[in-house]
Amino acid sequence: SQTIHQWPATLVQPVGSPLSLECTVEGTSNPNLYWYRQAAGRGLQLLFYSVGIGQISSEVPQNLSASRPQDRQFILSSKKLLLSDSGFYLCAWSEPRTGATQYFGPGTRLTVL
Amino acid sequence: GQNIDQPTEMTATEGAIVQINCTYQTSGFNGLFWYQQHAGEAPTFLSYNVLDGLEEKGRFSSFLSRSKGYSYLLLKELQMKDSASYLCAVRPVYNQGGKLIFGQGTELSVKP
Repeated sequence: SQTIHQWPATLVQPVGSPLSLECTVEGTSNPNLYWYRQAAGRGLQLLFYSVGIGQISSEVPQNLSASRPQDRQFILSSKKLLLSDSGFYLCAWSEPRTGATQYFGPGTRLTVL
Repeated sequence: GQNIDQPTEMTATEGAIVQINCTYQTSGFNGLFWYQQHAGEAPTFLSYNVLDGLEEKGRFSSFLSRSKGYSYLLLKELQMKDSASYLCAVRPVYNQGGKLIFGQGTELSVKP
């Protein structure tokens, strides 16, 4: 069966510090991968998605970036965090086919102070 | 543009039935998903509709009308553990990585 991992689970960072969040998927090959952010009491905002190694599509302009160095690894980064980057970051995966369901990882709760 | 509307919050009684509505206006349509999200946790998949009609899965059912841009999630025999946020999401196109557009979610409170 497939599993998705994210770490860290929680993170408190000062404004201006760098960020690296990692997501890995097990039990599948060539998945589509996604990064979402959820602000308190709000819906999910898609940040990035990837359909293969090195292929990243950005959905919103921001100071975040994403990379996919391996087939089942997806990384979210920032060089300098802003207060507005606080939120719940969720990684998701799906099979690369029409109608595939997205399954979410446990998430990382980021607080920028 | 892309727009998905759901009520912000709903309250229901344990043992009752509740219907959560979702309307959407998207540039295309390739499926509608419902997710459940408990406070502080990740969303979990509930149901998927791509054709008109009702999909039933235990106490949960989901309905879709593509011509009306409308879906609902029906929860029967409500339990306290059903208190959660329910997210409606639409896949506008089948390419572009199969990305989903999410509504803001409906916060359901189940009272004894």
